[in-house]
Amino acid sequence: EPEVTQTPSHQVTQMGQEVILRCVPISNHLYFYWYRQILGQKVEFLVSFYNNEISEKSEIFDDQFSVERPDGSNFTLKIRSTKLEDSAMYFCASSPRDNQETQYFGPGTRLLVL
Amino acid sequence: GQNIDQPTEMTATEGAIVQINCTYQTSGFNGLFWYQQHAGEAPTFLSYNVLDGLEEKGRFSSFLSRSKGYSYLLLKELQMKDSASYLCAAYTGRRALTFGSGTRLQVQP
Repeated sequence: EPEVTQTPSHQVTQMGQEVILRCVPISNHLYFYWYRQILGQKVEFLVSFYNNEISEKSEIFDDQFSVERPDGSNFTLKIRSTKLEDSAMYFCASSPRDNQETQYFGPGTRLLVL
Repeated sequence: GQNIDQPTEMTATEGAIVQINCTYQTSGFNGLFWYQQHAGEAPTFLSYNVLDGLEEKGRFSSFLSRSKGYSYLLLKELQMKDSASYLCAAYTGRRALTFGSGTRLQVQP
């Protein structure tokens, strides 16, 4: 069964550094998303992406964040200058054209900012 | 604003039935999702209700009442592996899911 994959599974970085989190959505899916989950808290929407542009973004997704689909398979989330409070699990998700509401999540990248 | 409420924790016995409730108040509503999340893992899709009523899928069923802003997830014949968090999430049509805080279910032998 096809699944969303994410790399790396864990990342430790210093405050102020840039990080890029990578995702490979399910191959025939057209809608892509990033969510985050701070330890012990709820899953929070960051951004949705369709047709090579951002569809929606939350108030969390400020100028420090950006997304890109650099090729036909990868979908990336960049955090330009990490803060301590960016420490969280970051989930990528994707959904197909004919069932765009149902989002399938990847295993996540655990980001720790020191 | 968006508000989704569900109990924080529940405990049930192996083989029993458990119902996890969720109430929501959202600006815009297209449907209600339930996801299962084991500790440290990704949410896994369980069900999606758009219309009022009960949807059954094996041991899991989900119910929606749009007029009451209410949903529940029913788990039958509980197994130890069902110990997980169950996340209620509203789809508001903005291509974003709004999640509740999750209900941590502990299944005991």
